[in-house]
Amino acid sequence: EAGVAQSPRYKIIEKRQSVAFWCNPISGHATLYWYQQILGQGPKLLIQFQNNGVVDDSQLPKDRFSAERLKGVDSTLKIQPAKLEDSAVYLCASSPMGQLMAFFGQGTRLTVV
Amino acid sequence: AQSVTQLGSHVSVSEGALVLLRCNYSSSVPPYLFWYVQYPNQGLQLLLKYTSAATLVKGINGFEAEFKKSETSFHLTKPSAHMSDAAEYFCAVSESGGGADGLTFGKGTHLIIQP
Repeated sequence: EAGVAQSPRYKIIEKRQSVAFWCNPISGHATLYWYQQILGQGPKLLIQFQNNGVVDDSQLPKDRFSAERLKGVDSTLKIQPAKLEDSAVYLCASSPMGQLMAFFGQGTRLTVV
Repeated sequence: AQSVTQLGSHVSVSEGALVLLRCNYSSSVPPYLFWYVQYPNQGLQLLLKYTSAATLVKGINGFEAEFKKSETSFHLTKPSAHMSDAAEYFCAVSESGGGADGLTFGKGTHLIIQP
């Protein structure tokens, strides 16, 4: 079974630029999450989708972050404009509906300079 | 609101020694608790989870954890450490039982194995 795929693995941008990350969850997984992991901290949930609907985006900085999950499969997370404090690893995870178990991708490491 | 506290950002043990990683939680409802492991440049991998069944939970790679409601703890143990156990370990809590809702993670504990 293929795991959660994320791209790119690494990205370096200048502040005020925009960036987008892509996630392909495990086939058949209805729930998809985006987490932000700042160096030295645990992951923080940014947004959760159930199929193509948003379940929880209470911790998403909506003035600069946006996410979508078209057709309930792939998802993209966008930051526009980026700030220095957005430097982090962005993790995507997915889980089957009703299952208390999330599978994580390898993440995208973003450096904002 | 739920929260997780992991005591000790770094834990160092000798190969073959007992591993003990501490986790305390705060939750307004009976929680669901998890331990994840993260190897360098990798995503998180589930070690084990507590879902209100047996209080002693066995996971992969010889790890286990015990849920103690009176102490609000969910400490992770392994009887004998192996070099391959060196990694970052995260404790996490979820208050929702209906589905796989988002997790609240602790700050992590870096486990160092001394030869």
